[in-house]
Amino acid sequence: SQELEQSPQSLIVQEGKNLTINCTSSKTLYGLYWYKQKYGEGLIFLMMLQKGGEEKSHEKITAKLDEKKQQSSLHITASQPSHAGIYLCGADGEKGTYKYIFGTGTRLKVLA
Amino acid sequence: NAGVTQTPKFQVLKTGQSMTLQCAQDMNHNSMYWYRQDPGMGLRLIYYSASEGTTDKGEVPNGYNVSRLNKREFSLRLESAAPSQTSVYFCASSYIRSNYGYTFGSGTRLTVV
Repeated sequence: SQELEQSPQSLIVQEGKNLTINCTSSKTLYGLYWYKQKYGEGLIFLMMLQKGGEEKSHEKITAKLDEKKQQSSLHITASQPSHAGIYLCGADGEKGTYKYIFGTGTRLKVLA
Repeated sequence: NAGVTQTPKFQVLKTGQSMTLQCAQDMNHNSMYWYRQDPGMGLRLIYYSASEGTTDKGEVPNGYNVSRLNKREFSLRLESAAPSQTSVYFCASSYIRSNYGYTFGSGTRLTVV
């Protein structure tokens, strides 16, 4: 079965610093989704990537899917305390099904 | 506000008790899902309903049952709660194939003692 591995598991950065979170799949990704979860709350959808080499941005967050469609990175530029939370990648576990899987998440803390 | 509503937000059960977690969405989504979130294990799919009238098992269905009552509502039932079911439960919904990901509820924190 497909697995999603995220790195790092946790990250503490000073406000204003850039950071990158990675999501690696054991199989080809047919759809890769990034979510953010604030502590004690539900997940908020950030963006979806489908094509190899695709890159999307939302405010100061940029996500990219590699050409082989097995790894995605999430990059935050000039981090702010509002970026703190848990970032999770999700993917279609099996093509054509609804068995959507998630990585274990990356906890981000931004120090003011 | 449009979205996914879960009730209750918190619940403590004794081992062997039963309960139903309720979920309702007003986004006209076709598909609905139940996940549990445990430390170090991420989110795991319990059951899903691709469309009204259908339900299917996910990764960890044992000990749970679901009902897709109508297009809006998808409930999760624990018939005989066990301490291993202590977790945070999330309901989510989506269109059948969506570029907008899933919309999640705010979760139910369940403790089984």
